[in-house]
Amino acid sequence: SQQGEEDPQALSIQEGENATMNCSYKTSINNLQWYRQNSGRGLVHLILIRSNEREKHSGRLRVTLDTSKKSSSLLITASRAADTASYFCAKGAGSYQLTFGKGTKLSVIP
Amino acid sequence: NAGVTQTPKFQVLKTGQSMTLQCAQDMNHEYMSWYRQDPGMGLRLIHYSVGAGITDQGEVPNGYNVSRSTTEDFPLRLLSAAPSQTSVYFCASSRGRDQPQHFGDGTRLSIL
Repeated sequence: SQQGEEDPQALSIQEGENATMNCSYKTSINNLQWYRQNSGRGLVHLILIRSNEREKHSGRLRVTLDTSKKSSSLLITASRAADTASYFCAKGAGSYQLTFGKGTKLSVIP
Repeated sequence: NAGVTQTPKFQVLKTGQSMTLQCAQDMNHEYMSWYRQDPGMGLRLIHYSVGAGITDQGEVPNGYNVSRSTTEDFPLRLLSAAPSQTSVYFCASSRGRDQPQHFGDGTRLSIL
């Protein structure tokens, strides 16, 4: 079964607005990772947050992790048309394997 | 630095044919993996390897075979292609456990 389920499945916003995507999981994790996938391309790693961290920033990205609720969120501030992509969370649970969710498709309208 | 390179980018096969999808990485990563991505299904792990000579099955291994003779290369073989194997295939590599994965740009495979 897939863990790391993203919500919403699709999101459409205007350029300049903030975009928030959520990820829930079912079992314990060592870390949670977020990836971006542009149309027709492979996934690109964005940010990794460890289970003992609550918040992490990278440029316009902010990731939070709430292990008590088994959830994470990715916030993209001041969105741009170039942010249009699918975003995936992936759970790391101490093995070499990551378990990916089904993704959130973000559309940023210029 | 090329990262992860997959070939071919596109392929059309007939049912029953076999083929090998190539994957090479130049980052000296020990861990490599193959995923398939289908609409609405996210990424599902097919096979993975934690080093040369070591491979293991993922979530959806049936119909696929892998080997890892070198650190750099991790080919995926379709033994007898079936329409259900129509998908986009991604190869990825990483430094180790729970580490960020580096993906290739995928092979788009259609089985007729």
